[in-house]
Amino acid sequence: ILNVEQSPQSLHVQEGDSTNFTCSFPSSNFYALHWYRWETAKSPEALFVMTLNGDEKKKGRISATLNTKEGYSYLYIKGSQPEDSATYLCAFPNNAGNMLTFGGGTRLMVKP
Amino acid sequence: GAGVSQSPSNKVTEKGKDVELRCDPISGHTALYWYRQRLGQGLEFLIYFQGNSAPDKSGLPSDRFSAERTGESVSTLTIQRTQQEDSAVYLCASSLTTGGITEAFFGQGTRLTVV
Repeated sequence: ILNVEQSPQSLHVQEGDSTNFTCSFPSSNFYALHWYRWETAKSPEALFVMTLNGDEKKKGRISATLNTKEGYSYLYIKGSQPEDSATYLCAFPNNAGNMLTFGGGTRLMVKP
Repeated sequence: GAGVSQSPSNKVTEKGKDVELRCDPISGHTALYWYRQRLGQGLEFLIYFQGNSAPDKSGLPSDRFSAERTGESVSTLTIQRTQQEDSAVYLCASSLTTGGITEAFFGQGTRLTVV
Protein backbone atom coordinates (compact mmCIF):
# COMPACT_ATOMS: atom_id res chain seq x y z
CA ILE A 1 0.00 0.00 0.00
CA LEU A 2 1.49 3.33 -1.07
CA ASN A 3 1.61 6.19 1.40
CA VAL A 4 0.48 9.46 -0.17
CA GLU A 5 0.21 12.26 2.37
CA GLN A 6 -1.24 15.71 1.91
CA SER A 7 -0.95 18.72 4.18
CA PRO A 8 -2.61 20.64 5.54
CA GLN A 9 -5.94 18.81 5.76
CA SER A 10 -7.83 22.08 5.51
CA LEU A 11 -7.04 25.70 4.88
CA HIS A 12 -9.06 28.89 5.23
CA VAL A 13 -7.79 31.94 3.35
CA GLN A 14 -9.11 35.36 2.41
CA GLU A 15 -9.88 36.27 -1.18
CA GLY A 16 -6.70 37.56 -2.79
CA ASP A 17 -4.34 35.54 -0.60
CA SER A 18 -1.84 33.22 -2.24
CA THR A 19 -1.55 29.76 -0.79
CA ASN A 20 0.20 26.46 -1.25
CA PHE A 21 -0.11 22.90 -0.07
CA THR A 22 1.99 19.76 -0.16
CA CYS A 23 1.75 16.22 -1.42
CA SER A 24 4.32 13.67 -0.23
CA PHE A 25 4.75 10.35 -2.00
CA PRO A 26 7.21 7.43 -2.16
CA SER A 27 10.33 8.57 -4.02
CA SER A 28 11.16 5.10 -5.37
CA ASN A 29 9.59 3.70 -8.56
CA PHE A 30 8.19 7.04 -9.63
CA TYR A 31 5.78 7.00 -12.58
CA ALA A 32 3.78 10.18 -12.31
CA LEU A 33 2.07 12.50 -9.87
CA HIS A 34 -1.47 13.71 -10.47
CA TRP A 35 -3.31 16.72 -9.03
CA TYR A 36 -7.11 16.94 -9.04
CA ARG A 37 -9.63 19.53 -7.88
CA TRP A 38 -12.87 18.25 -6.37
CA GLU A 39 -15.61 20.80 -5.95
CA THR A 40 -18.65 20.03 -3.84
CA ALA A 41 -21.40 18.23 -5.77
CA LYS A 42 -19.10 17.72 -8.75
CA SER A 43 -16.66 15.03 -9.79
CA PRO A 44 -12.87 15.32 -9.40
CA GLU A 45 -11.25 17.14 -12.30
CA ALA A 46 -7.62 16.76 -13.33
CA LEU A 47 -5.36 19.78 -12.98
CA PHE A 48 -1.95 18.34 -13.80
CA VAL A 49 -0.14 15.09 -14.50
CA MET A 50 3.55 15.52 -13.80
CA THR A 51 6.19 13.02 -14.84
CA LEU A 52 9.63 14.65 -14.70
CA ASN A 53 11.73 15.71 -11.73
CA GLY A 54 11.83 19.49 -11.60
CA ASP A 55 8.65 19.72 -13.65
CA GLU A 56 6.62 22.89 -13.21
CA LYS A 57 3.12 23.18 -14.62
CA LYS A 58 0.73 26.11 -14.70
CA LYS A 59 -2.95 26.57 -15.41
CA GLY A 60 -4.14 30.12 -14.89
CA ARG A 61 -3.48 31.08 -11.27
CA ILE A 62 -2.66 27.51 -10.27
CA SER A 63 0.79 26.00 -10.60
CA ALA A 64 2.59 22.92 -9.35
CA THR A 65 6.16 21.80 -8.86
CA LEU A 66 7.60 18.32 -8.55
CA ASN A 67 10.61 16.86 -6.73
CA THR A 68 10.76 13.13 -7.41
CA LYS A 69 14.05 12.60 -5.58
CA GLU A 70 12.69 13.76 -2.25
CA GLY A 71 9.11 12.72 -2.98
CA TYR A 72 7.04 15.86 -2.81
CA SER A 73 4.97 18.18 -4.95
CA TYR A 74 3.66 21.63 -4.15
CA LEU A 75 0.46 23.13 -5.51
CA TYR A 76 0.29 26.92 -5.51
CA ILE A 77 -2.73 29.16 -5.97
CA LYS A 78 -2.01 32.83 -6.60
CA GLY A 79 -4.63 35.40 -5.60
CA SER A 80 -7.21 32.90 -4.32
CA GLN A 81 -10.83 33.45 -5.36
CA PRO A 82 -13.99 32.03 -3.76
CA GLU A 83 -14.43 29.77 -6.80
CA ASP A 84 -11.12 28.10 -5.90
CA SER A 85 -12.83 26.60 -2.84
CA ALA A 86 -12.57 22.85 -3.29
CA THR A 87 -10.69 19.80 -2.11
CA TYR A 88 -7.36 19.38 -3.87
CA LEU A 89 -6.21 15.80 -4.26
CA CYS A 90 -2.92 14.35 -5.36
CA ALA A 91 -2.59 10.79 -6.66
CA PHE A 92 0.32 8.45 -7.28
CA PRO A 93 0.30 5.33 -9.48
CA ASN A 94 1.67 2.10 -8.02
CA ASN A 95 4.76 0.47 -9.48
CA ALA A 96 2.73 -1.30 -12.15
CA GLY A 97 1.13 2.03 -12.99
CA ASN A 98 -2.32 0.58 -12.67
CA MET A 99 -3.63 1.87 -9.38
CA LEU A 100 -3.90 5.54 -8.56
CA THR A 101 -3.57 5.97 -4.81
CA PHE A 102 -5.07 9.23 -3.65
CA GLY A 103 -3.98 11.35 -0.73
CA GLY A 104 -6.54 12.51 1.80
CA GLY A 105 -6.81 15.89 0.15
CA THR A 106 -6.48 19.51 1.25
CA ARG A 107 -9.81 21.26 1.68
CA LEU A 108 -9.44 24.90 0.70
CA MET A 109 -12.02 27.50 1.67
CA VAL A 110 -11.64 31.01 0.28
CA LYS A 111 -13.63 33.71 2.07
CA PRO A 112 -14.84 36.68 0.00
CA GLY B 1 -19.71 9.87 -24.99
CA ALA B 2 -18.59 13.29 -23.91
CA GLY B 3 -17.67 12.22 -20.41
CA VAL B 4 -17.82 9.39 -17.92
CA SER B 5 -21.40 8.52 -17.10
CA GLN B 6 -22.56 6.65 -14.02
CA SER B 7 -25.95 5.31 -13.14
CA PRO B 8 -27.93 5.49 -11.03
CA SER B 9 -26.89 8.78 -9.49
CA ASN B 10 -28.57 7.82 -6.22
CA LYS B 11 -29.59 4.44 -4.87
CA VAL B 12 -31.27 3.62 -1.60
CA THR B 13 -31.46 -0.07 -0.84
CA GLU B 14 -32.40 -2.29 2.04
CA LYS B 15 -29.74 -4.17 3.91
CA GLY B 16 -29.24 -7.60 2.39
CA LYS B 17 -30.30 -6.66 -1.13
CA ASP B 18 -27.99 -6.78 -4.15
CA VAL B 19 -27.16 -3.63 -6.12
CA GLU B 20 -25.55 -3.04 -9.47
CA LEU B 21 -23.75 0.18 -10.33
CA ARG B 22 -22.96 1.07 -13.91
CA CYS B 23 -20.15 3.08 -15.47
CA ASP B 24 -19.89 4.21 -19.09
CA PRO B 25 -16.32 5.43 -19.65
CA ILE B 26 -15.13 7.79 -22.33
CA SER B 27 -15.02 5.95 -25.64
CA GLY B 28 -11.54 4.61 -26.42
CA HIS B 29 -10.25 4.81 -22.86
CA THR B 30 -8.30 1.69 -22.02
CA ALA B 31 -8.10 2.07 -18.25
CA LEU B 32 -11.12 2.14 -15.94
CA TYR B 33 -11.07 2.61 -12.16
CA TRP B 34 -13.62 2.22 -9.39
CA TYR B 35 -13.25 4.13 -6.14
CA ARG B 36 -15.50 4.78 -3.20
CA GLN B 37 -15.66 7.54 -0.64
CA ARG B 38 -17.31 6.82 2.65
CA LEU B 39 -18.49 9.70 4.78
CA GLY B 40 -15.58 11.72 6.12
CA GLN B 41 -12.97 9.57 4.42
CA GLY B 42 -10.74 9.82 1.36
CA LEU B 43 -10.94 8.05 -1.97
CA GLU B 44 -10.55 4.30 -1.52
CA PHE B 45 -9.36 2.30 -4.52
CA LEU B 46 -11.54 -0.70 -5.35
CA ILE B 47 -10.52 -2.15 -8.71
CA TYR B 48 -8.82 -1.29 -11.98
CA PHE B 49 -9.50 -2.59 -15.50
CA GLN B 50 -6.97 -2.72 -18.27
CA GLY B 51 -9.19 -3.32 -21.26
CA ASN B 52 -11.61 -5.99 -20.03
CA SER B 53 -9.29 -7.59 -17.51
CA ALA B 54 -8.74 -6.67 -13.89
CA PRO B 55 -5.12 -7.49 -12.98
CA ASP B 56 -5.58 -6.67 -9.31
CA LYS B 57 -8.77 -7.30 -7.37
CA SER B 58 -7.21 -6.95 -3.94
CA GLY B 59 -8.84 -3.57 -3.37
CA LEU B 60 -12.33 -5.02 -3.30
CA PRO B 61 -13.44 -4.88 0.36
CA SER B 62 -14.99 -8.34 0.51
CA ASP B 63 -16.20 -11.24 -1.62
CA ARG B 64 -19.60 -9.53 -1.75
CA PHE B 65 -18.08 -7.09 -4.23
CA SER B 66 -17.47 -7.99 -7.85
CA ALA B 67 -16.91 -6.05 -11.04
CA GLU B 68 -16.73 -6.72 -14.71
CA ARG B 69 -16.08 -4.81 -17.89
CA THR B 70 -17.18 -5.81 -21.35
CA GLY B 71 -16.31 -4.63 -24.83
CA GLU B 72 -13.59 -2.45 -23.32
CA SER B 73 -16.47 -0.18 -22.48
CA VAL B 74 -19.19 -0.44 -19.86
CA SER B 75 -18.32 -1.65 -16.38
CA THR B 76 -20.61 -2.82 -13.63
CA LEU B 77 -19.83 -3.01 -9.94
CA THR B 78 -22.07 -5.44 -8.09
CA ILE B 79 -22.49 -5.53 -4.34
CA GLN B 80 -24.29 -8.58 -3.00
CA ARG B 81 -26.09 -8.72 0.35
CA THR B 82 -25.45 -5.04 1.01
CA GLN B 83 -24.47 -3.91 4.49
CA GLN B 84 -24.76 -0.47 6.06
CA GLU B 85 -21.00 -0.02 5.87
CA ASP B 86 -21.31 -0.20 2.08
CA SER B 87 -23.00 3.21 2.11
CA ALA B 88 -20.72 5.55 0.18
CA VAL B 89 -20.29 7.49 -3.03
CA TYR B 90 -18.97 5.12 -5.68
CA LEU B 91 -16.89 6.87 -8.33
CA CYS B 92 -15.79 5.54 -11.68
CA ALA B 93 -12.96 7.04 -13.71
CA SER B 94 -11.37 6.26 -17.04
CA SER B 95 -8.10 7.23 -18.66
CA LEU B 96 -6.81 6.97 -22.20
CA THR B 97 -3.86 4.74 -21.40
CA THR B 98 -2.74 2.43 -18.66
CA GLY B 99 0.37 3.11 -16.62
CA GLY B 100 -0.97 6.03 -14.65
CA ILE B 101 0.60 8.67 -16.87
CA THR B 102 -2.57 10.10 -18.33
CA GLU B 103 -5.21 11.95 -16.40
CA ALA B 104 -8.27 10.17 -15.09
CA PHE B 105 -11.72 11.49 -15.96
CA PHE B 106 -14.31 10.91 -13.27
CA GLY B 107 -18.03 10.35 -13.43
CA GLN B 108 -20.44 12.12 -11.11
CA GLY B 109 -20.66 9.10 -8.87
CA THR B 110 -23.41 6.90 -7.46
CA ARG B 111 -24.49 7.71 -3.92
CA LEU B 112 -25.43 4.41 -2.31
CA THR B 113 -27.37 4.40 0.93
CA VAL B 114 -28.05 1.09 2.66
CA VAL B 115 -30.88 1.30 5.19
